[in-house]
Amino acid sequence: DAGITQSPRYKITETGRQVTLMCHQTWSHSYMFWYRQDLGHGLRLIYYSAAADITDKGEVPDGYVVSRSKTENFPLTLESATRSQTSVYFCASSGTSSNEQFFGPGTRLTVL
Amino acid sequence: GQNIDQPTEMTATEGAIVQINCTYQTSGFNGLFWYQQHAGEAPTFLSYNVLDGLEEKGRFSSFLSRSKGYSYLLLKELQMKDSASYLCAVRGYGGATNKLIFGTGTLLAVQP
Repeated sequence: DAGITQSPRYKITETGRQVTLMCHQTWSHSYMFWYRQDLGHGLRLIYYSAAADITDKGEVPDGYVVSRSKTENFPLTLESATRSQTSVYFCASSGTSSNEQFFGPGTRLTVL
Repeated sequence: GQNIDQPTEMTATEGAIVQINCTYQTSGFNGLFWYQQHAGEAPTFLSYNVLDGLEEKGRFSSFLSRSKGYSYLLLKELQMKDSASYLCAVRGYGGATNKLIFGTGTLLAVQP
């Protein structure tokens, strides 16, 4: 199916474990983004990518790592999960000439 | 710094009109966006303003005043399904990155 997908949709992990959240889009959009959404903070940008092999930090990058070896994939890795990283994570993409960002369905991550 | 303010919650009656305000202070401006987000779902794009004035799209309209750092989203003929969070977001200048800064959102409850 065309669109933007995220996996897993739900994840429970323990403090100190490594976790990777996947994001895949079928539109060949240049830009991809990772946000986290927490009560009282709204959506905050973690990392973004303007093209394959080009990534940059957003507002809250600490504790996260990203890569973009292929245009369609933009995985987000928590190298050593902490309780403060419990959140809902949204991936988004947009085209070069597009004003709109399209959001994936989100991943609800709980770190115990 | 960058700051986007919108009311936390609003309540309105089915069939009525409601206006959700957003004020912003950002380093540069290259567009203001409104997104709708139903509980447990991803944000979806509603509107985009880059020039001053009103943009109308069916029951939804969005207004922008760049000199005042102010926007509003107007929802007419409210329906129960309009109960959702409404997110205001600003794109700073250097728009090649398509990065957005989001406000914390306004939770709208539509009552019968």
